[in-house]
Amino acid sequence: DTGVSQNPRHKITKRGQNVTFRCDPISEHNRLYWYRQTLGQGPEFLTYFQNEAQLEKSRLLSDRFSAERPKGSFSTLEIQRTEQGDSAMYLCASSSGEGEAFFGQGTRLTVV
Amino acid sequence: GEDVEQSLFLSVREGDSSVINCTYTDSSSTYLYWYKQEPGAGLQLLTYIFSNMDMKQDQRLTVLLNKKDKHLSLRIADTQTGDSAIYFCAESRSTGRRALTFGSGTRLQVQP
Repeated sequence: DTGVSQNPRHKITKRGQNVTFRCDPISEHNRLYWYRQTLGQGPEFLTYFQNEAQLEKSRLLSDRFSAERPKGSFSTLEIQRTEQGDSAMYLCASSSGEGEAFFGQGTRLTVV
Repeated sequence: GEDVEQSLFLSVREGDSSVINCTYTDSSSTYLYWYKQEPGAGLQLLTYIFSNMDMKQDQRLTVLLNKKDKHLSLRIADTQTGDSAIYFCAESRSTGRRALTFGSGTRLQVQP
């Protein structure tokens, strides 16, 4: 098992463009989380899936953000009409239940 | 609401012990975690403790939990230069909100 995988690792986009990130969790992990981390801060929760169901969404997740996990395996996070304030590291984590949650290396988004 | 607080910075000499402290406010916290983040990387799970425990030891790492005071600490014995990183404390519940709530991180600097 190679752990949680996120692609791309880096993304530079112009303001107003749409971007999509992918997360492949650890095999058989039914829980998947998205977080956002800005410089000097801890990760902030965005959304949570159990299998394919999106069970929790943070108020940080504006209507420009959408996340899917269509078959309960990989997940995508899309940001529409990006703004400079969206520049951050986007982290994905997965777990099989209570306790351990494992993070990917993150996707660093820069909006110019 | 939930809040997790950590001191910002700790500097120690190589070979000394490091103690990183964390306080949290949510009395419903079930699991408490310590993650390590190196520059430009994702978060590495170091250890976690269930709220009905008061201590957990894993090689050079010792976690102490004072549930009454809502205080968590991470002790790193024989600190090495490779331990230099940002350490995040986090908490989660087993019911209701499942996402982890993170502190802002403590930067550990290990001086040779």
